[in-house]
Amino acid sequence: GDSVTQMEGPVTLSEEAFLTINCTYTATGYPSLFWYVQYPGEGLQLLLKATKADDKGSNKGFEATYRKETTSFHLEKGSVQVSDSAVYFCALTSNNDYKLSFGAGTTVTVRA
Amino acid sequence: DAMVIQNPRYQVTQFGKPVTLSCSQTLNHNVMYWYQQKSSQAPKLLFHYYDKDFNNEADTPDNFQSRRPNTSFCFLDIRSPGLGDAAMYLCATSRVVQETQYFGPGTRLLVL
Repeated sequence: GDSVTQMEGPVTLSEEAFLTINCTYTATGYPSLFWYVQYPGEGLQLLLKATKADDKGSNKGFEATYRKETTSFHLEKGSVQVSDSAVYFCALTSNNDYKLSFGAGTTVTVRA
Repeated sequence: DAMVIQNPRYQVTQFGKPVTLSCSQTLNHNVMYWYQQKSSQAPKLLFHYYDKDFNNEADTPDNFQSRRPNTSFCFLDIRSPGLGDAAMYLCATSRVVQETQYFGPGTRLLVL
């Protein structure tokens, strides 16, 4: 079945540091890939998405590129802020399935 | 702004006392989902509605029920909450299955 594996946390960074969270997936066909962010005590917010190979999703300085050859969708941000402290979830939906398969989540803490 | 709304944000109930959580959406999406999220875990799908068609996940306890009286509203009923049901409950919507899911802010349930 479909699965998502993402980098274990927690990750602690200083402000203005570079952030990478690795995400790899297993799925049949051509899944759609997502990054969701969850701030403390809140629901999930869609951060970015990509629906086909080589697409790059971007939002709020975050980027991720759909790499079919490596089955990856790594999240990157060049200069993090304290306000980026949150839990980040990588997720996918397959062509023939309604389910959103999540990774375990990565907790990111950015210190001033 | 179109959105997914959940009420209340916090709900306290007693062990064994039925409780209902509500979700509404202004996106006019066909699909509505209910997830349970326990601390430091990814959300777990309980069930979803495609229009009026109810789809229960195989491992969702019978204690959890849902109603969707119209396109805009969906309810989660917990018939006899146990201490293990304390969690964040997330509602999500999508236009159709396999498309992007948009989440509400969640309701945090506490069982005393």
